[in-house]
Amino acid sequence: DAKTTQPPSMDCAEGRAANLPCNHSTISGNEYVYWYRQIHSQGPQYIIHGLKNNETNEMASLIITEDRKSSTLILPHATLRDTAVYYCILPNYQLIWGAGTKLIIKP
Amino acid sequence: EAQVTQNPRYLITVTGKKLTVTCSQNMNHEYMSWYRQDPGLGLRQIYYSMNVEVTDKGDVPEGYKVSRKEKRNFPLILESPSPNQTSLYFCASSLLGLSGPSYEQYFGPGTRLTVT
Repeated sequence: DAKTTQPPSMDCAEGRAANLPCNHSTISGNEYVYWYRQIHSQGPQYIIHGLKNNETNEMASLIITEDRKSSTLILPHATLRDTAVYYCILPNYQLIWGAGTKLIIKP
Repeated sequence: EAQVTQNPRYLITVTGKKLTVTCSQNMNHEYMSWYRQDPGLGLRQIYYSMNVEVTDKGDVPEGYKVSRKEKRNFPLILESPSPNQTSLYFCASSLLGLSGPSYEQYFGPGTRLTVT
């Protein structure tokens, strides 16, 4: 079973920052948090991962709380093409997929 | 361009007619795996392979076979497909580290299979 909790859906206006929360209160000290997204029925796409420091790449930023029990994926300037299901994952010898958050970007 | 390819992308077949879905990657990845995705059940791993000639069952292996004769290819074989194998299938690959596969994995575009 997935060890993360995400809201089932969120809306965001185009051009605004999309902030996707994830709760992982049972995370252990050496577990990384991974984020993927899946645009409708396409193959999942890796976005970013982190351990305890905040991370940023060309796609997104990842903010992990100091106690590591939750994290937020930030898409700084959301576009319509960012509409997708976003998965927050704590891998355990494999990627364990929950239901994710369906993010809808509205014009 | 680094990619994972799958063929066919769409397939409609009948119960019992053997089929193979091919998967190929051009990144020299050691690790490859197959998933199926069904509404309400998310992605579930069928089989995985750590390297050539090394394969192992995932969470839902029943009714499937795989082989890994070459590093780049990892075909999924349904010897006698049944309607409950109607699903969306994804192949993925990644590098293999000291403690297991990298979780930064590359996914193929998917194969939508319908078994009637």
